[in-house]
Amino acid sequence: AQKITQTQPGMFVQEKEAVTLDCTYDTSDPSYGLFWYKQPSSGEMIFLIYQGSYDQQNATEGRYSLNFQKARKSANLVISASQLGDSAMYFCAMREASGTYKYIFGTGTRLKVLA
Amino acid sequence: DGGITQSPKYLFRKEGQNVTLSCEQNLNHDAMYWYRQDPGQGLRLIYYSQIVNDFQKGDIAEGYSVSREKKESFPLTVTSAQKNPTAFYLCASSPNLFGQGNTFGSGTRLTVV
Repeated sequence: AQKITQTQPGMFVQEKEAVTLDCTYDTSDPSYGLFWYKQPSSGEMIFLIYQGSYDQQNATEGRYSLNFQKARKSANLVISASQLGDSAMYFCAMREASGTYKYIFGTGTRLKVLA
Repeated sequence: DGGITQSPKYLFRKEGQNVTLSCEQNLNHDAMYWYRQDPGQGLRLIYYSQIVNDFQKGDIAEGYSVSREKKESFPLTVTSAQKNPTAFYLCASSPNLFGQGNTFGSGTRLTVV
């Protein structure tokens, strides 16, 4: 069965430093997608980055990169040069390519950027 | 600008009442979703719909109902059968492309009084 695990309930990082948010997953489907979302205090979920299971290179989007280690079943989000506006909840999610549009979300990591 | 509109932002319900949460999108997305968010539990899928007039139960569908009569609209009804409805509800949509993430609305916070 699909499962997403985020083991860090909360993280602190100094402004301008990099931070890694952990995500591990479990699936028996060889084809799947991994996603990261940001949820500010306003509540809206913002899509950040996507990694496909067959992608050879790690995904990058601006200051966000996804450290994809397929054998370890991990998909960690790296935020470089942290900014105060990065303070938010971050969710890892997965979707299998088995014909449905069903996504599974982790429990989230709360990131606080310190000035 | 294209996006998803959820209304109302805050909703109060008396025990035993049914309430309907609205979700409208103008992104021309095929798929739409309803999630429930409780503190410390992330997002849990209530219902999802891949095309008009078709929808499937998610992991926590009991006590909820949906309809998808139009591509743009996916309302969620929280019925009196839902024993603990107080939560934050998020609607989302996605195009028929595997690599695209969900686009989310701003959410509805439902409180039972």
